[in-house]
Amino acid sequence: DAGVTQSPTHLIKTRGQQVTLRCSPKSGHDTVSWYQQALGQGPQFIFQYYEEEERQRGNFPDRFSGHQFPNYSSELNVNALLLGDSALYLCASSPPAGGKLFFGSGTQLSVL
Amino acid sequence: AQKITQTQPGMFVQEKEAVTLDCTYDTSDPSYGLFWYKQPSSGEMIFLIYQGSYDQQNATEGRYSLNFQKARKSANLVISASQLGDSAMYFCAMRDVLFNKFYFGSGTKLNVKP
Repeated sequence: DAGVTQSPTHLIKTRGQQVTLRCSPKSGHDTVSWYQQALGQGPQFIFQYYEEEERQRGNFPDRFSGHQFPNYSSELNVNALLLGDSALYLCASSPPAGGKLFFGSGTQLSVL
Repeated sequence: AQKITQTQPGMFVQEKEAVTLDCTYDTSDPSYGLFWYKQPSSGEMIFLIYQGSYDQQNATEGRYSLNFQKARKSANLVISASQLGDSAMYFCAMRDVLFNKFYFGSGTKLNVKP
């Protein structure tokens, strides 16, 4: 049973570019959340997707957007990249009843 | 607003000894969940232990136990018989039950010395 998988593992972009990160949730999970973890800090909630809709959103600008597909996989898109967007982006899934989050290994994004 | 505070940026412990990692939280919600996650250098967050706000007993999972003091709003993690593989970042987190959002502390870096 595969856990949460994320791709790519590493990414280097330049300021102003756009990036798409991908996530496949753990089997049986229908809710996907995205977190940003800056160096030396704890993860910060970006948003959560359930039934292909954004259900909750953290304090992130509209440059951060997402999508969930019918198979529950999800994408995180960031437009007009800033240097401060450099971070580890973690995807987490949870089962229909809620409860603990299962995390992927993350995508390390570097913006130069 | 929900908030998690971890006041120990770094901790050292001798192999085979016990260590306590501190966590305090702030919420006005009567129902919430408290979690501890371990993050090795690989980056993946690994679930360790969970405590519900209405649970009367402290949670235990193998070498991990959670010292839950509701009145003090603290949820400290106790690791017994530390192993070299326990060296990692440890994050305390609180789940907003209504919105299923998680709030994380800033973490504690644990180093286990041989």
